[in-house]
Amino acid sequence: AQSVTQPDIHITVSEGASLELRCNYSYGATPYLFWYVQSPGQGLQLLLKYFSGDTLVQGIKGFEAEFKRSQSSFNLRKPSVHWSDAAEYFCALGYGGSQGNLIFGKGTKLSVKP
Amino acid sequence: GAVVSQHPSRVICKSGTSVKIECRSLDFQATTMFWYRQFPKQSLMLMATSNEGSKATYEQGVEKDKFLINHASLTLSTLTVTSAHPEDSSFYICSARDPRRYSYNEQFFGPGTRLTVL
Repeated sequence: AQSVTQPDIHITVSEGASLELRCNYSYGATPYLFWYVQSPGQGLQLLLKYFSGDTLVQGIKGFEAEFKRSQSSFNLRKPSVHWSDAAEYFCALGYGGSQGNLIFGKGTKLSVKP
Repeated sequence: GAVVSQHPSRVICKSGTSVKIECRSLDFQATTMFWYRQFPKQSLMLMATSNEGSKATYEQGVEKDKFLINHASLTLSTLTVTSAHPEDSSFYICSARDPRRYSYNEQFFGPGTRLTVL
């Protein structure tokens, strides 16, 4: 069965430091992968997505993610974190063919120290 | 483009009453809409999938008689929580997709509705 694992529940980084949030997936077919960000009490905003092609994908707000099939990973990175990046981050896997379902990881809460 | 709205954003109701939450795709036609539930500090759990003009498909463990979903048009889906109880208090988020325009399972999410049942 398909699954998404985000090993880190909570990460704290200093403002200006680099960031990497981990995501591993399990799926028997070609994965469609997404990273979403959620601020408290808000819905989800799409940061970036991977469907095929170039394994390094660029997203909004300076985020990027690299798809590594051999490691079943889709880690999110940002070279320099801003205080406004503090939020909950969810990795998601698209499955189900025409139904277009998503399965989410448990999320990683990012805190940013001044 | 690809904006999804939800109404209301917050609702407080008494135990035993019913609450309706609306989800609208504002600038695209949503052939499929999804309803998720999110408990505090937890991930999103899919409750049901609805296709326009069809009955919703509920995930295992979700009571279809309690969570009534209607997807009557390509831009509107509603979730009605019937006879709400305090344990139904949660954050409900809808999403929508239009596979004719956005491929590869891409969903667009509404801002969520905070339901509190007293």
